[in-house]
This record gives sequence, C-alpha cells and structure tokens, in this order.
Amino acid sequence: QKEVEQDPGPLSVPEGAIVSLNCTYSNSAFQYFMWYRQYSRKGPELLMYTYSSGNKEDGRFTAQVDKSSKYISLFIRDSQPSDSATYLCAMKVGANSKLTFGKGITLSVRP
Amino acid sequence: GAVVSQHPSWVICKSGTSVKIECRSLDFQATTMFWYRQFPKQSLMLMATSNEGSKATYEQGVEKDKFLINHASLTLSTLTVTSAHPEDSSFYICSALSPGGQETQYFGPGTRLLVL
Repeated sequence: QKEVEQDPGPLSVPEGAIVSLNCTYSNSAFQYFMWYRQYSRKGPELLMYTYSSGNKEDGRFTAQVDKSSKYISLFIRDSQPSDSATYLCAMKVGANSKLTFGKGITLSVRP
Repeated sequence: GAVVSQHPSWVICKSGTSVKIECRSLDFQATTMFWYRQFPKQSLMLMATSNEGSKATYEQGVEKDKFLINHASLTLSTLTVTSAHPEDSSFYICSALSPGGQETQYFGPGTRLLVL
C-alpha cells in the first residue's frame, strides 16, 4: 500500500461546479498537510497548508483534514476554467521533513 | 508567498555533456532545498535533499556521482547532471524550505532538460 493515495482522475466539471478532491494516507505520523496546484510545464504552487484536523478556508478553497480517518480533502467552490490544472496533495511528518506526494489529479473546468 | 527561481527554464544538450541547473530563493534564506524530477503525467519524485554547507542526502536509487548537488549559500543550490543521456531527459524542479514556523516548501518553475 502506498503511503499516500490519490484518485488519479482525470476530472472534468462545468464552470461553477463544486469540486471535491481527496487523498488518503496510511502513515499516522503525518502531521502537516498541503495542497499544491501545478499548471502544465510549471512548478507546483502552494494552495493550502494545514497542521491540525479541521477545516481551513481561503477564498474559494477549503482544505479539510480528518486525522482519525487519515483523509484529507480540498473543496473548490464556483470553479473557474482557470482552475484547470493538476492538484497534488502532500504531507510530511515534521516541519523540516521531506514531502510525500499523491500522484496528482488533473482537473478540467469546462466554460 | 516566497519566490524560488530556476535557471535555465529549458535546456537541450548532446549526450555525454554536463548540464548545471541553478535554484535560488529570492526573498528568503533557505538552509534546506530539495531537488525533484517529474516525468510526464507523473508526480514529483524526490531526488535529494540539499543542506547549506554540507553534503546532500540522496534518495535510494539516485546516483550521487551523476547528479551532483552543491548548496554553497543560503540562497543558491545547483544540480549538475553529469554525462547526460537521453534517459535523463525530464522536468527538474527544486524547492526551498522557508523557515519560521511551519517550514513551508516553495517550488521553482522547473527546468525542462532534453538530451539528444
């Protein structure tokens, strides 16, 4: 079993839809959870960073962490064509630890 | 967010030559930088962790003599692909660890390497 599992998709939604992206993990030592967005041929861009269980909101994005279920989610409200990208979940054990990434899911938002 | 740059953004070279890629943290000092490789439609694969003033730590299966890493200052790490071959063609991405609290990793824009 991989440490981090992410549905590979791809995912296609109409503009304005609510998007739900999910990752599960097996290592209970993970304490820091991130979501990155990567456009084609570009480096990943940090979207959300959470440390504890619960929800964190930033504009149209909400990150959710459930440590008891080893499950994290990213919700995108009112999705836009500009949200079309690959989304990677990532997590780490300690603040200075290396990141463990999910495989990434490619999202396409249709106008 | 913090800014990390990479140079060059893309490079084409002949088989057998060496290529150097630079990674710079522009607005913060990074004692730790990471080097990743990404093949098409795949996730990032960590190659090595670069610590300022000390030797890099390589992941299993990554040849340290082929991928030379130097982290000579708090804002610059370099990756040199020595005697490059076509199978080294890939997208190389660095990241820098921003200090102060949660130690967030910020990524550079990547360098696309094509070895002919």
